[in-house]
Amino acid sequence: QVQLVESGGGVVHPGGSLRVSCTASGFTFSYYAMHWVRQVPGKGLEWVALISSDGSRRSYADTVKGRFTISRDNSMQTLFLQMTSLRHEETAVYYCARDLGAPGSALDSWGQGTLVTVSS
Amino acid sequence: QSVLTQPPSASGTPGQRVTISCSGSSSNIGGNSVNWYQQLPGAAPKLLIYSSYQRPSGVPDRVSGAKSGTSASLAISGLQSDDEADYYCAAWDDSLNGPVFGGGTKLTVL
Repeated sequence: QVQLVESGGGVVHPGGSLRVSCTASGFTFSYYAMHWVRQVPGKGLEWVALISSDGSRRSYADTVKGRFTISRDNSMQTLFLQMTSLRHEETAVYYCARDLGAPGSALDSWGQGTLVTVSS
Repeated sequence: QSVLTQPPSASGTPGQRVTISCSGSSSNIGGNSVNWYQQLPGAAPKLLIYSSYQRPSGVPDRVSGAKSGTSASLAISGLQSDDEADYYCAAWDDSLNGPVFGGGTKLTVL
């Protein structure tokens, strides 16, 4: 079955950097575009970034553009999100999600999330 | 403030039919399909409706989606206690070049 497992979350100081990962199994990772979505505790969902199946195209939310980098290693079935210049308000659970491929970027499988806490 | 607008809360009694609305603009719902997600307490979101009307395998047919112009809606009939969750609409936004979400609707089964 499709499984996505995030890792790498933790506590980081404001202005600091962190890389989170998402390891995929149960499907051919290289066939699918992938996303990162975050959720501040008690708040709604916010899309963060998207990468195409081959990694050639990337898109970012305006709030993270220039500070976050999404990447992937298809040979390792792993998705990454490199985050720099982190802010207090970016404390959130970061989910990776698979793009179904249907028009409109439906996210049909999600990981359990990894908590990133930005705190001094 | 979310790009898509949803009511913060909705409620119904067991067996009732509940509808949750989602309002957007021409750059998102008006020109693209809508997806709906269910998030149970403490869990990751789950895709409930995609391409405005389609149900993924395993989602019961008492759940349905509709779209008209720049608005969409999710309907759940035969309401059950298990349906108590947060529900989010989402759509691709051509201006932002990414998907946008609604603020979420907390559904309470009375």
